Amino acid sequence: DIQMTQSPSSVSASVGDRVTITCRASQGISSWLAWYQQKPGKAPKLLIYAASSLQSGVPSRFSGSGSGTDFTLTISSLQPEDFATYYCQQANSFPLFGPGTKVDIK
Amino acid sequence: QLQLQESGPGLVKPSETLSLTCTVSGGSISSSSYYWGWIRQPPGKGLEWIGSIYYSGSTYYNPSLKSRVTISVDTSKNQFSLKLSSVTAADTAVYYCAKGGGIIPGAFDIWGQGTMVTVSS
Repeated sequence: DIQMTQSPSSVSASVGDRVTITCRASQGISSWLAWYQQKPGKAPKLLIYAASSLQSGVPSRFSGSGSGTDFTLTISSLQPEDFATYYCQQANSFPLFGPGTKVDIK
Repeated sequence: QLQLQESGPGLVKPSETLSLTCTVSGGSISSSSYYWGWIRQPPGKGLEWIGSIYYSGSTYYNPSLKSRVTISVDTSKNQFSLKLSSVTAADTAVYYCAKGGGIIPGAFDIWGQGTMVTVSS
């Protein structure tokens, strides 16, 4: 079975910082990876699909890269509204989410 | 603009069956390019995919839940439903319905607001 891991599990950052989150699949998933942002009490919001495609309406400071087993989500300049938990999700077989990375205020 | 809304009991007794419905508005559930899914999130924990149903009626379930899950579609009501049998406290979670497919391969691009279901006697 595919396993998904994310690192770090949490990160403290300041407004304007560049933040990078890593997602790793235990076996190759080509580019079948999505990233979501979730704020407390809210449904997840799709940010990136197919590893690097920006969902419509998502700010360009979000970007995704990678293929195979290693993927990254980068926020180029952290904004106040970006403090949230971020999940990766593989779709090569059945949908499987990573454990999440919480981005909080330093 | 497509919207999804979950509905169903907020409290279910242990060993009983959890039943939820997702109503789709602003578009047709019968679109050949979409699929529809259920995802849950226990309090303070991460996301778990439960299963999905395609326009063809084909269903796919999380192997860890497969023996207890049924997802179905009612095209006349533009709804799809989740049944989870023999529930325990471990099934207490926020349950989300979501849409996937179309021009978005492999991801869920539209989500309902979620509904909290507590399993307790």
